[in-house]
Amino acid sequence: AQKVTQAQTEISVVEKEDVTLDCVYETRDTTYYLFWYKQPPSGELVFLIRRNSFDEQNEISGRYSWNFQKSTSSFNFTITASQVVDSAVYFCALSEAPGSSNTGKLIFGQGTTLQVKP
Amino acid sequence: KAGVTQTPRYLIKTRGQQVTLSCSPISGHRSVSWYQQTPGQGLQFLFEYFSETQRNKGNFPGRFSGRQFSNSRSEMNVSTLELGDSALYLCASSLHSNTGELFFGEGSRLTVL
Repeated sequence: AQKVTQAQTEISVVEKEDVTLDCVYETRDTTYYLFWYKQPPSGELVFLIRRNSFDEQNEISGRYSWNFQKSTSSFNFTITASQVVDSAVYFCALSEAPGSSNTGKLIFGQGTTLQVKP
Repeated sequence: KAGVTQTPRYLIKTRGQQVTLSCSPISGHRSVSWYQQTPGQGLQFLFEYFSETQRNKGNFPGRFSGRQFSNSRSEMNVSTLELGDSALYLCASSLHSNTGELFFGEGSRLTVL
């Protein structure tokens, strides 16, 4: 069975601190995609990154960086120099191998609520 | 470029009633997926439509149904509402849904009394 675990329910930091959101996944597939989405108070999920299972290179986008380690089945997300606008719920998600039987389906973790205080 | 539009944004129903939610995808996107978000169960996949055909379905009872029109707009319907159906219903569209890069709307928040 596929599963995504975000063990941190809530994290509170002070602005400018670095923060890492953890994500551990389970899958039997050899081909899969991993994602991070941000959900601000308005409700919509905002796509942040997609990583396929064959690409373990870490990625940096501005203050955001992601560390993908297949050996530990983890896909962690780090925000450097956090800002108040980063306050949101962050979801890690897993997509099964591409195919007609699993289109459109993401398996989400329970989410981590990040509060950045000024 | 307009994003995914969901209507209504908020609605209140009573047990036993039915509800229809609407989703207009991003122009050019032919795949529409629906998700239910609740505090207890989190985000759960309902179903996915592509070119008016349901291609994938989650583990929800038959009271939950959907359809997609020729212009890619989609509706979902919940019949015989139960208290537990209270949730945020999110619609997402994509060009190629099997890669998972979904673009979500702001959701329709349903309260069942």
